[in-house]
Amino acid sequence: GQQLNQSPQSMFIQEGEDVSMNCTSSSIFNTWLWYKQDPGEGPVLLIALYKAGELTSNGRLTAQFGITRKDSFLNISASIPSDVGIYFCAGAPRDYGQNFVFGPGTRLSVLP
Amino acid sequence: EAGVTQFPSHSVIEKGQTVTLRCDPISGHDNLYWYRRVMGKEIKFLLHFVKESKQDESGMPNNRFLAERTGGTYSTLKVQPAELEDSGVYFCASSQGLGLNRAKNIQYFGAGTRLSVL
Repeated sequence: GQQLNQSPQSMFIQEGEDVSMNCTSSSIFNTWLWYKQDPGEGPVLLIALYKAGELTSNGRLTAQFGITRKDSFLNISASIPSDVGIYFCAGAPRDYGQNFVFGPGTRLSVLP
Repeated sequence: EAGVTQFPSHSVIEKGQTVTLRCDPISGHDNLYWYRRVMGKEIKFLLHFVKESKQDESGMPNNRFLAERTGGTYSTLKVQPAELEDSGVYFCASSQGLGLNRAKNIQYFGAGTRLSVL
């Protein structure tokens, strides 16, 4: 079946640093989503991408929908302690009426 | 407006017992999804309801899992009998609709039920 790979699996960074993580697939997706999960909570949507090449920002977060439709990246600038959590990418293979495929997540730790 | 709520937040049961998880979607959301995350792995799709009908149950692991959504409002997921490998976090999500407006397809998640089978 369709699978998403996320890298890195985990990362430790200093507060104030920029972060970059990505998500790749062997098949094409028509929608990419980035979610963040805080401990004890459910995933919360950060950014949704609908077109190849699209670059979208949400505060300190920026995400891009890869031109090949097989990847996406998420950048976080000037990290702060509350950025700690697990970041999941999710992809939808069709435009509508489909279920999302999730990656295994990137666990981010921010050191003060 | 209330988000997706799940109950219980934690459940610890013994192998062979039965557990029922409940999900209340966002009011007005016709689409309801169940997912499961086993330790350290991806969030895996279990099934999808549109109102009270099962649209896709291809992710259900086996016939020990039974999901219902009577009346098209809240949903329950029953595991009977539970096995050790059923442990994990069960998430429920809901979305407003399906169609060409992809913004309506965005799924909003509950906090999950952490199930531990001993």
